[in-house]
Amino acid sequence: RKEVEQDPGPFNVPEGATVAFNCTYSNSASQSFFWYRQDCRKEPKLLMSVYSSGNEDGRFTAQLNRASQYISLLIRDSKLSDSATYLCVVIGSSYKLIFGSGTRLLVRP
Amino acid sequence: SQTIHQWPATLVQPVGSPLSLECTVEGTSNPNLYWYRQAAGRGLQLLFYSVGIGQISSEVPQNLSASRPQDRQFILSSKKLLLSDSGFYLCAWSPEGGRNTIYFGEGSWLTVV
Repeated sequence: RKEVEQDPGPFNVPEGATVAFNCTYSNSASQSFFWYRQDCRKEPKLLMSVYSSGNEDGRFTAQLNRASQYISLLIRDSKLSDSATYLCVVIGSSYKLIFGSGTRLLVRP
Repeated sequence: SQTIHQWPATLVQPVGSPLSLECTVEGTSNPNLYWYRQAAGRGLQLLFYSVGIGQISSEVPQNLSASRPQDRQFILSSKKLLLSDSGFYLCAWSPEGGRNTIYFGEGSWLTVV
């Protein structure tokens, strides 16, 4: 089993739709969680951290479920510019970050 | 503010040739430094990380090596490239202490022919 798993997608949604991605992790001792966004042929960029109580940044909401060992990202009112690959990142008990393989989102007009 | 620079942005190298990718970070001291590789359509693979000058940890066996000659400089090298070394190489840094998010350079596209 991979340490961090994501549905590769692609998720193909119309503009204005709400879409949600899940990411599961295997190490119950994991401490920190993040979502990154990666555009085609570009470097990943931090989208948002994921806090235990859940957190929101505009149209984006991140949730953590420690009992089930997954984190989620909800995007409301999708824009064409949201099309990208979304990477889930988990930090365990070392300096190393573990990246998921990413979920690809395509927002169509 | 902190910035990270990585070069060259793209390169095409023949099999068996050497490689040197360089990365520097500005605006911070004693950062953790990382080299990742992303093959086409695949996830990020951690190659090396460093918590200080001269301290390099290797994650996977390969024909690549890394060095940290200065606090904010990280170099990825190879003496003889293989076709399988093609990919997108990303340097990244995080604040000292670990368990922090990391920030990536713009990446280097390597094609071995």
